Amino acid sequence: QSALTQPASVSGSPGQSITISCTGTSSDVGGYNYVSWYQQHPDKAPKLMIYEVNNRPSGVSNRFSGSKSGNTASLTISGLRADDEADYYCSSYTSSSTLYVFGTGTKVTVL
Amino acid sequence: EVQVVQSGAEVKKPGESLQVSCKASGYSFTSYWIGWVRQMPGKGLEWMGIIYPGDSDARYSPSFQGQVTISVDKSISTAYLQWSSLKASDTAMYYCAREYGSGNYFDYWGQGTLVTVSS
Repeated sequence: QSALTQPASVSGSPGQSITISCTGTSSDVGGYNYVSWYQQHPDKAPKLMIYEVNNRPSGVSNRFSGSKSGNTASLTISGLRADDEADYYCSSYTSSSTLYVFGTGTKVTVL
Repeated sequence: EVQVVQSGAEVKKPGESLQVSCKASGYSFTSYWIGWVRQMPGKGLEWMGIIYPGDSDARYSPSFQGQVTISVDKSISTAYLQWSSLKASDTAMYYCAREYGSGNYFDYWGQGTLVTVSS
């Protein structure tokens, strides 16, 4: 089971919107609505930002939104802020013996 | 309040054994799966395996099957990740996290345990 494919880096200016893609296969992203997104600041534990494709946990800003089309999921951050600068990982349930697979990770830089 | 607290950093030599712990509180420990995730220095997240404390049913990523053992002691609401013979390549940060089963995502994470294996 290979990792889901994400762009290595995405950048944007404060106030702009950015979108991070997460491409898998029909055995994972495309086959289930079990895509989640995690934010990880340096030397910190990951934090759940989106679950089941497009749901936000309590306490997560509505500037974060998720979507999916076919085998590709996306995370959009609107109104980019300095503290959004972090690594972001997607994850999906998979029908393979692995059960879960993470994305390769995307470093978001706020210019 | 749900809390997941891991044991502290470890420095070990190759060939030594190790067990790191993950103590959960604030919810019914036996009703949610607990997963383990590896992050090697400067690298991404890798899912290692998961265990259901209710019956100790453990599932492993093929990449980690036979390399580690995941267990629980439900009497103290604690999950464990153990190695019988460490290698230098086991040097990494290890996270445990509660899985919200019906949605297949990890909602509460431990702070991480740094394992350093060096001669």
